[in-house]
Amino acid sequence: GEDVEQSLFLSVREGDSSVINCTYTDSSSTYLYWYKQEPGAGLQLLTYIFSNMDMKQDQRLTVLLNKKDKHLSLRIADTQTGDSAIYFCAEGTGRRALTFGSGTRLQVQP
Amino acid sequence: SAVISQKPSRDICQRGTSLTIQCQVDSQVTMMFWYRQQPGQSLTLIATANQGSEATYESGFVIDKFPISRPNLTFSTLTVSNMSPEDSSIYLCSVDGNTEAFFGQGTRLTVV
Repeated sequence: GEDVEQSLFLSVREGDSSVINCTYTDSSSTYLYWYKQEPGAGLQLLTYIFSNMDMKQDQRLTVLLNKKDKHLSLRIADTQTGDSAIYFCAEGTGRRALTFGSGTRLQVQP
Repeated sequence: SAVISQKPSRDICQRGTSLTIQCQVDSQVTMMFWYRQQPGQSLTLIATANQGSEATYESGFVIDKFPISRPNLTFSTLTVSNMSPEDSSIYLCSVDGNTEAFFGQGTRLTVV
């Protein structure tokens, strides 16, 4: 079945860039997503990218997709303490439920 | 886009009892999904709920434990039956839009 993997933890200093990585196995994935979950809160969709794109930028967020290697990354520029959260990578085809990665806990140190 | 109202937002329940979680969508959708997020874990799909047919359950989840109703295209319920502390999780409903999935705010369940 589909599988999505992420590293579990990332620590950065405030003002630095954060890069969270994700790999997936399903070559039929149409959409790839990044969700943010703050403590005690629900899932917030940050951004998504179509599989026929290789980059998408949205303010401080840059998503890079290497479809050949099935590798997705999320770069957060000028990381702030408010960015501390768990970030989930997910993939889908639009015809079934999403498959989520295990989540990467981002810790931003002042 | 779709707006999902899920309730209750949280509950504390006694073991052996059942809780029904409701999910209301502001537009008609074909497929609705129920996920579970155990403490410190990622989201795991429980089942897919289609209107007019039985829900399709993922491996490890059974209808007797997690009965699902889907009476129309805007509403679904998930019941967590005969609860034990291991059922303490966040339960989320979701619908699939054309380009993104929409999630309810989740139901945080604690079983004592």
